[in-house]
Formats: sequence, structure tokens, C-alpha cells
Amino acid sequence: DTGVSQDPRHKITKRGQNVTFRCDPISEHNRLYWYRQTLGQGPEFLTYFQNEAQLEKSRLLSDRFSAERPKGSFSTLEIQRTEQGDSAMYLCASSSSRGGGTQETQYFGPGTRLLVL
Amino acid sequence: SQQGEEDPQALSIQEGENATMNCSYKTSINNLQWYRQNSGRGLVHLILIRSNEREKHSGRLRVTLDTSKKSSSLLITASRAADTASYFCATGHGSSNTGKLIFGQGTTLQVKP
Repeated sequence: DTGVSQDPRHKITKRGQNVTFRCDPISEHNRLYWYRQTLGQGPEFLTYFQNEAQLEKSRLLSDRFSAERPKGSFSTLEIQRTEQGDSAMYLCASSSSRGGGTQETQYFGPGTRLLVL
Repeated sequence: SQQGEEDPQALSIQEGENATMNCSYKTSINNLQWYRQNSGRGLVHLILIRSNEREKHSGRLRVTLDTSKKSSSLLITASRAADTASYFCATGHGSSNTGKLIFGQGTTLQVKP
């Protein structure tokens, strides 16, 4: 299967701990996105990479959040000093801009469900 | 912040019936996409309609877009129990080069066998 994969699928942590999630996009995709989804809501944009460059960050992404895509392939999202309000599903998506413009489909991974106790 | 408003929030129908979901948005768009999400799972892309298109079909799905009213609808014909899921519209914006999507709150569809 060459779809978007995310690891881990589930994470339970105690408040104050750090957590890191990984996303592996579809191999030929140069764009990678992180979204957060809370129960009963649609996903909300967090950040975006084109190749290894982080080009946009949402105001939702506080100083405790950091994302990287060091070689333009997989990406990591780290949350430091987790809070109960960080409990959510973290979704990764990838797409290709090589067709030009911004009208490309985003393909989503299965998500990482985080529970902060 | 979320741009889309979806209507209804929840819909329950019998198998074989058609399901219609509506999405409204606030600012100009480049494209509008519909996604399906089964409970606790990732999102599956259904269909993309560009701002210069008015209607698009894919199998049992029909999507319309009215940019003058800033609204879209998703019609699922001859529904099946397997169509039970949450459906989200998401807008892509021409003012941004990132292609990021802004999602609505979704419509939860239940198809009873």
C-alpha cells in the first residue's frame, strides 16, 4: 500500500509529557500538511510543507508545537508539555503540486489519536 | 477557524434513498472538495470541483457548485448501509499558494438497512 501512513495510531500520555508523531506521505508528493480534528468537528489546518520548507503555520500552532520535514520526505510533529486540550486526532495529508496551481487532491493518512490525561 | 457550514448536521435515511448534503462558505475559492470519514478513521477523498465548474459526477455521487451563492451540494443516489459516515466539504483558496483546505463541520449520515 503506497498511501499516507502515520505512526503511532494511538497515543496516551500524561499532562506535561512530550509526544512526537510521524507521517510518511505518498512517495512522489512534494506537499505535506498537518491538521487537527477534535470530536464532532472538521479538521483544522496546522501547518504545511513544500519539500523540506515549512511555508505556513496556523495560529493554532502554539510555541509548544513544532513540525519538521528534514529531507522533504517524512515529517514529524512534536508537542511539548502536553495539555489536556491537546487531545485530538492529528491528521497528515500529502499532495503533489507538480501539475501546477493549487487544485490538487489531498490524500489523508489514518491519523494519530492523542489522549492527554 | 472553519469556513464551511454544512447542512444538515445529521441525516438518517433508508437504504436505497438519496441523500443530499449542503455546504456553504464565506470567501472566494479555487476549488471545493468533499471527503468521507468513517468513525475514528482518516478522510477519504470523494470528489473535487473547480470554481469554474458547476456540476460533477463520480459513480453514485453528484456534486454541484454555485459560486454566486457560495454553496455546494453533494448528492448520493441509491444509498447503501456502507455509505454511513461523516461527510465534509473543504475549500481551497486562490489567495493562498499552499493549497491548504478549510473544512466544514460535517454532516453525519446514517443509512439504515
